[in-house]
Amino acid sequence: KQEVTQIPAALSVPEGENLVLNCSFTDSAIYNLQWFRQDPGKGLTSLLLIQSSQREQTSGRLNASLDKSSGRSTLYIAASQPGDSATYLCAVRPGTNAGKSTFGDGTTLTVKP
Amino acid sequence: ETGVTQSPTHLIKTRGQQVTLRCSSQSGHNTVSWYQQALGQGPQFIFQYYREEENGRGNFPPRFSGLQFPNYSSELNVNALELDDSALYLCATRTGGKDTEAFFGQGTRLTVV
Repeated sequence: KQEVTQIPAALSVPEGENLVLNCSFTDSAIYNLQWFRQDPGKGLTSLLLIQSSQREQTSGRLNASLDKSSGRSTLYIAASQPGDSATYLCAVRPGTNAGKSTFGDGTTLTVKP
Repeated sequence: ETGVTQSPTHLIKTRGQQVTLRCSSQSGHNTVSWYQQALGQGPQFIFQYYREEENGRGNFPPRFSGLQFPNYSSELNVNALELDDSALYLCATRTGGKDTEAFFGQGTRLTVV
């Protein structure tokens, strides 16, 4: 059974700081890993999708890496802004059942002005 | 804006009642997945439909059922509502490839009293 863990559960940083969010998973047989942002009470916004054959993806100030062999992914946020405050979730899609994405419980980020 | 629309946005039901939640997908997105998200947790997979057929199911009882229509819109039905069914219900749509990106709607907040 795939398990996804995100550490830390909450993070508070001053504006302008670079930061790293962590995601670990127990079964390395995955099709892809996707990072999402969720604002309170809202749906999920896709940030980055990394295929199993890729090592990293970049979009603006965001960079996500994937190390399948160690079961880890990181989301790097450069020059954080108060508008980045949200919960960040990672989800892995397994190789055996492409429909069932397994999510972590998220990291809640607060960026202070 | 993901192009995935869920209705209603909020709903209050009484224990024992039945509820239907709806999801409309982007053009060409023939795969829809439904998730339940309790407060402070990551989304949990309920089931997936591909071209009107259920092709994956999570650990939810049979009183959770669904439909996908020829235009790929979808419904989630929950019978005999329980207090623990109170959650944010999310649908995600994508094209049929196993490595494609999932796009989420804004969710339906269901409260069972």
